[in-house]
Amino acid sequence: QIHLEQSGAEVRKIGSSVKVSCKASGGTFNTWPLSWVRQAPGQGLEWMGGIVPAFGTANYAKKFEDRVTITADASTNTLHMELTSLTSDDTAVYYCSRDKGGWTGFDVWGQGTTVTV
Amino acid sequence: QSALTQPRSVSGSPGQSVTISCTGTSSDVGGYGYVSWYQHHPGKAPRLIIYDVNVRPSGVPNRFAGSKYGNTASLTISDLQADDDADYYCCSYAGRSTIVVFGGGTKVTVL
Repeated sequence: QIHLEQSGAEVRKIGSSVKVSCKASGGTFNTWPLSWVRQAPGQGLEWMGGIVPAFGTANYAKKFEDRVTITADASTNTLHMELTSLTSDDTAVYYCSRDKGGWTGFDVWGQGTTVTV
Repeated sequence: QSALTQPRSVSGSPGQSVTISCTGTSSDVGGYGYVSWYQHHPGKAPRLIIYDVNVRPSGVPNRFAGSKYGNTASLTISDLQADDDADYYCCSYAGRSTIVVFGGGTKVTVL
Protein backbone atom coordinates (compact mmCIF):
# COMPACT_ATOMS: atom_id res chain seq x y z
CA GLN A 1 0.00 0.00 0.00
CA ILE A 2 1.38 3.34 -1.05
CA HIS A 3 1.97 5.87 1.74
CA LEU A 4 3.19 9.47 1.67
CA GLU A 5 4.61 10.88 4.92
CA GLN A 6 5.30 14.61 5.04
CA SER A 7 7.68 16.64 7.18
CA GLY A 8 6.45 18.66 10.13
CA ALA A 9 4.99 22.13 10.46
CA GLU A 10 7.16 25.13 9.65
CA VAL A 11 7.17 28.78 10.70
CA ARG A 12 9.01 31.26 8.50
CA LYS A 13 9.53 34.99 8.28
CA ILE A 14 8.37 37.06 5.33
CA GLY A 15 10.95 37.02 2.55
CA SER A 16 12.51 33.73 3.60
CA SER A 17 12.21 30.24 2.08
CA VAL A 18 10.78 26.92 3.16
CA LYS A 19 11.46 23.34 2.07
CA VAL A 20 8.84 20.66 2.65
CA SER A 21 9.55 16.94 2.22
CA CYS A 22 7.39 13.94 1.41
CA LYS A 23 8.72 10.41 1.89
CA ALA A 24 7.08 7.67 -0.16
CA SER A 25 6.78 4.00 0.66
CA GLY A 26 5.00 0.94 -0.67
CA GLY A 27 5.67 1.14 -4.37
CA THR A 28 7.88 2.15 -7.28
CA PHE A 29 8.58 5.79 -6.46
CA ASN A 30 10.49 6.55 -9.62
CA THR A 31 7.57 6.03 -11.99
CA TRP A 32 4.91 7.97 -10.11
CA PRO A 33 3.78 11.42 -11.19
CA LEU A 34 3.96 13.39 -7.92
CA SER A 35 2.54 16.83 -7.23
CA TRP A 36 2.27 19.51 -4.59
CA VAL A 37 -1.15 21.01 -3.85
CA ARG A 38 -1.79 23.69 -1.26
CA GLN A 39 -4.77 25.11 0.59
CA ALA A 40 -4.61 28.55 2.16
CA PRO A 41 -6.98 29.35 5.04
CA GLY A 42 -10.53 29.74 3.73
CA GLN A 43 -9.40 29.02 0.17
CA GLY A 44 -9.61 26.08 -2.20
CA LEU A 45 -7.08 23.56 -3.42
CA GLU A 46 -4.35 24.92 -5.66
CA TRP A 47 -1.96 22.86 -7.79
CA MET A 48 1.61 24.13 -7.56
CA GLY A 49 3.58 21.73 -9.71
CA GLY A 50 4.63 18.15 -10.26
CA ILE A 51 7.38 15.80 -11.30
CA VAL A 52 7.97 12.23 -12.43
CA PRO A 53 11.17 11.25 -10.60
CA ALA A 54 12.37 9.02 -13.43
CA PHE A 55 12.23 11.95 -15.87
CA GLY A 56 13.59 14.54 -13.44
CA THR A 57 12.01 17.62 -15.02
CA ALA A 58 9.29 19.36 -13.04
CA ASN A 59 6.26 21.24 -14.34
CA TYR A 60 4.99 24.27 -12.46
CA ALA A 61 1.82 26.31 -12.31
CA LYS A 62 2.46 29.73 -13.84
CA LYS A 63 1.59 31.39 -10.53
CA PHE A 64 4.51 29.70 -8.77
CA GLU A 65 7.08 29.06 -11.49
CA ASP A 66 9.35 31.90 -10.37
CA ARG A 67 9.42 30.83 -6.71
CA VAL A 68 9.00 27.06 -6.46
CA THR A 69 11.39 24.19 -7.04
CA ILE A 70 10.22 20.58 -6.93
CA THR A 71 12.80 17.82 -6.78
CA ALA A 72 12.80 14.08 -6.20
CA ASP A 73 15.51 11.94 -4.60
CA ALA A 74 15.09 8.37 -5.81
CA SER A 75 17.76 7.10 -3.41
CA THR A 76 15.55 8.01 -0.44
CA ASN A 77 12.12 7.94 -2.16
CA THR A 78 11.63 11.54 -1.07
CA LEU A 79 9.91 14.41 -2.85
CA HIS A 80 10.85 17.99 -1.95
CA MET A 81 9.22 21.35 -2.54
CA GLU A 82 11.05 24.60 -1.89
CA LEU A 83 9.16 27.90 -1.98
CA THR A 84 11.12 31.16 -1.85
CA SER A 85 10.33 34.84 -1.24
CA LEU A 86 7.56 33.93 1.17
CA THR A 87 4.68 36.31 1.89
CA SER A 88 1.77 36.02 4.30
CA ASP A 89 -0.28 34.70 1.37
CA ASP A 90 1.87 31.57 1.41
CA THR A 91 0.49 30.56 4.80
CA ALA A 92 -1.23 27.30 3.91
CA VAL A 93 -1.38 23.55 4.28
CA TYR A 94 0.84 21.94 1.66
CA TYR A 95 0.04 18.43 0.43
CA CYS A 96 2.08 16.04 -1.66
CA SER A 97 0.06 13.70 -3.83
CA ARG A 98 0.45 10.93 -6.36
CA ASP A 99 -1.27 10.97 -9.71
CA LYS A 100 -2.80 7.76 -11.04
CA GLY A 101 -1.02 8.52 -14.30
CA GLY A 102 -1.60 10.92 -17.17
CA TRP A 103 -3.05 13.61 -14.89
CA THR A 104 -6.19 11.54 -14.39
CA GLY A 105 -6.49 12.07 -10.65
CA PHE A 106 -4.56 12.28 -7.38
CA ASP A 107 -5.26 9.01 -5.59
CA VAL A 108 -2.77 9.10 -2.71
CA TRP A 109 -2.15 12.11 -0.47
CA GLY A 110 0.24 13.00 2.30
CA GLN A 111 -1.15 14.18 5.61
CA GLY A 112 -0.34 17.82 4.89
CA THR A 113 2.27 20.22 6.24
CA THR A 114 1.26 23.57 7.73
CA VAL A 115 3.50 26.45 6.74
CA THR A 116 2.95 29.69 8.63
CA VAL A 117 4.57 32.88 7.33
CA GLN B 1 -10.27 33.34 -8.77
CA SER B 2 -10.21 29.62 -9.55
CA ALA B 3 -9.96 28.39 -13.11
CA LEU B 4 -13.02 26.14 -12.76
CA THR B 5 -16.30 27.53 -11.43
CA GLN B 6 -18.27 25.68 -8.76
CA PRO B 7 -21.22 26.81 -6.66
CA ARG B 8 -20.16 27.92 -3.21
CA SER B 9 -22.58 25.65 -1.43
CA VAL B 10 -25.34 23.11 -1.85
CA SER B 11 -27.44 21.37 0.75
CA GLY B 12 -29.81 18.47 1.10
CA SER B 13 -31.50 16.28 3.66
CA PRO B 14 -30.38 12.73 4.39
CA GLY B 15 -31.56 10.41 1.63
CA GLN B 16 -31.86 13.17 -0.94
CA SER B 17 -29.57 13.83 -3.92
CA VAL B 18 -27.45 16.86 -4.72
CA THR B 19 -25.55 17.80 -7.86
CA ILE B 20 -22.47 19.99 -8.02
CA SER B 21 -21.50 21.66 -11.29
CA CYS B 22 -17.99 22.47 -12.42
CA THR B 23 -17.73 24.84 -15.38
CA GLY B 24 -14.55 25.33 -17.33
CA THR B 25 -13.64 25.92 -20.94
CA SER B 26 -12.70 23.98 -24.05
CA SER B 27 -9.08 24.27 -22.85
CA ASP B 28 -9.71 22.15 -19.77
CA VAL B 29 -12.99 20.39 -18.90
CA GLY B 30 -14.33 20.46 -22.43
CA GLY B 31 -11.09 19.53 -24.12
CA TYR B 32 -10.09 16.41 -22.20
CA GLY B 33 -11.61 13.43 -20.47
CA TYR B 34 -9.56 13.99 -17.32
CA VAL B 35 -11.95 15.45 -14.77
CA SER B 36 -11.57 14.29 -11.17
CA TRP B 37 -13.47 15.05 -7.98
CA TYR B 38 -12.25 15.18 -4.38
CA GLN B 39 -14.01 15.03 -1.05
CA HIS B 40 -12.27 17.08 1.65
CA HIS B 41 -13.13 16.99 5.32
CA PRO B 42 -11.45 19.80 7.30
CA GLY B 43 -8.19 18.70 8.88
CA LYS B 44 -7.88 15.63 6.67
CA ALA B 45 -6.24 14.98 3.32
CA PRO B 46 -8.46 15.21 0.23
CA ARG B 47 -9.92 11.93 -1.04
CA LEU B 48 -10.28 11.03 -4.71
CA ILE B 49 -13.88 9.99 -5.39
CA ILE B 50 -14.12 10.27 -9.20
CA TYR B 51 -11.50 10.24 -11.96
CA ASP B 52 -11.63 10.23 -15.76
CA VAL B 53 -14.99 12.06 -15.53
CA ASN B 54 -17.06 9.13 -14.25
CA VAL B 55 -14.85 6.37 -12.80
CA ARG B 56 -15.04 5.55 -9.10
CA PRO B 57 -11.88 4.31 -7.37
CA SER B 58 -12.16 1.09 -5.42
CA GLY B 59 -13.98 1.65 -2.14
CA VAL B 60 -15.98 4.69 -3.23
CA PRO B 61 -19.70 3.96 -2.98
CA ASN B 62 -21.84 4.10 -6.12
CA ARG B 63 -23.81 6.94 -4.53
CA PHE B 64 -21.16 9.17 -6.11
CA ALA B 65 -21.47 9.64 -9.87
CA GLY B 66 -19.63 11.90 -12.30
CA SER B 67 -20.61 13.16 -15.73
CA LYS B 68 -19.67 15.78 -18.28
CA TYR B 69 -21.43 17.71 -21.02
CA GLY B 70 -19.44 20.19 -23.03
CA ASN B 71 -17.41 22.46 -20.75
CA THR B 72 -19.33 21.50 -17.60
CA ALA B 73 -18.71 18.49 -15.39
CA SER B 74 -21.04 17.40 -12.62
CA LEU B 75 -20.89 15.33 -9.45
CA THR B 76 -24.10 13.81 -8.14
CA ILE B 77 -24.31 12.46 -4.62
CA SER B 78 -27.33 10.23 -4.10
CA ASP B 79 -28.85 9.04 -0.84
CA LEU B 80 -27.08 11.77 1.13
CA GLN B 81 -25.53 10.65 4.39
CA ALA B 82 -24.17 12.60 7.34
CA ASP B 83 -20.57 11.80 6.42
CA ASP B 84 -21.05 13.41 3.00
CA ASP B 85 -21.00 16.79 4.76
CA ALA B 86 -17.69 18.10 3.37
CA ASP B 87 -16.05 20.27 0.74
CA TYR B 88 -15.91 18.96 -2.83
CA TYR B 89 -13.44 20.04 -5.49
CA CYS B 90 -13.36 19.36 -9.20
CA CYS B 91 -10.09 19.21 -11.08
CA SER B 92 -9.18 18.98 -14.75
CA TYR B 93 -6.17 18.47 -16.94
CA ALA B 94 -5.67 21.70 -18.88
CA GLY B 95 -3.02 20.98 -21.47
CA ARG B 96 0.76 21.09 -21.53
CA SER B 97 1.07 24.73 -20.52
CA THR B 98 -1.33 25.02 -17.57
CA ILE B 99 -1.48 21.28 -16.80
CA VAL B 100 -3.85 21.10 -13.79
CA VAL B 101 -6.63 23.38 -12.59
CA PHE B 102 -8.95 23.05 -9.59
CA GLY B 103 -12.37 24.46 -8.96
CA GLY B 104 -13.00 26.79 -6.06
CA GLY B 105 -14.78 24.11 -4.06
CA THR B 106 -18.38 23.48 -3.00
CA LYS B 107 -19.50 23.05 0.59
CA VAL B 108 -22.08 20.28 0.82
CA THR B 109 -24.24 20.56 3.92
CA VAL B 110 -26.35 17.64 5.03
CA LEU B 111 -29.31 19.20 6.82
